[in-house]
Amino acid sequence: GDSVTQMEGPVTLSEEAFLTINCTYTATGYPSLFWYVQYPGEGLQLLLKATKADDKGSNKGFEATYRKETTSFHLEKGSVQVSDSAVYFCALSDQGGGYNKLIFGAGTRLAVHP
Amino acid sequence: GAVVSQHPSRVICKSGTSVKIECRSLDFQATTMFWYRQFPKQSLMLMATSNEGSKATYEQGVEKDKFLINHASLTLSTLTVTSAHPEDSSFYICSAPPSGHFSYNEQFFGPGTRLTVL
Repeated sequence: GDSVTQMEGPVTLSEEAFLTINCTYTATGYPSLFWYVQYPGEGLQLLLKATKADDKGSNKGFEATYRKETTSFHLEKGSVQVSDSAVYFCALSDQGGGYNKLIFGAGTRLAVHP
Repeated sequence: GAVVSQHPSRVICKSGTSVKIECRSLDFQATTMFWYRQFPKQSLMLMATSNEGSKATYEQGVEKDKFLINHASLTLSTLTVTSAHPEDSSFYICSAPPSGHFSYNEQFFGPGTRLTVL
């Protein structure tokens, strides 16, 4: 079945460092891909999304490009801030099913220090 | 953006009792809602899909009689953990896609309910 694999955390960075969180997926159809963020004590929030190959999702300085050839959707940010400390989840939704069931990766915890 | 609320945010109960968790879409209608379970430092596991006006669809391995789901209206779904045991302690999260918004498969998540069974 469909699955999502993320790099294990925690990832610890200094403020203004470059961030990459790897995400790869397996899917039988043509999924939409998402990054969700969970700040301490809060629910999941959609960070960005891409619905087809070569699409680039971006929000709050974060970017991810839907790469069909490598089945990847890596999350990047050029300069992280302390406020970016959170858990990041990569997810896919297979559109072929008719309703949008999300499959999540294990999550990657990011800690940014001043 | 669309808001999903959950109540209660935290509940502690004794083993053998039942606990009801509510999930509400505050400013949109949702014919479908999803219930997830999240273990500490782990990902979200989809438990079931709640369908307004019909029976819920459960994922493989999830006990239907243990986790009762009722989608009473277009804005409310409830999850009842029956005869709770300590192993049911977890973080339960609901989500909802606004009805008709299937083009991007977007969902809005509630803040979660922390259940602790003593």
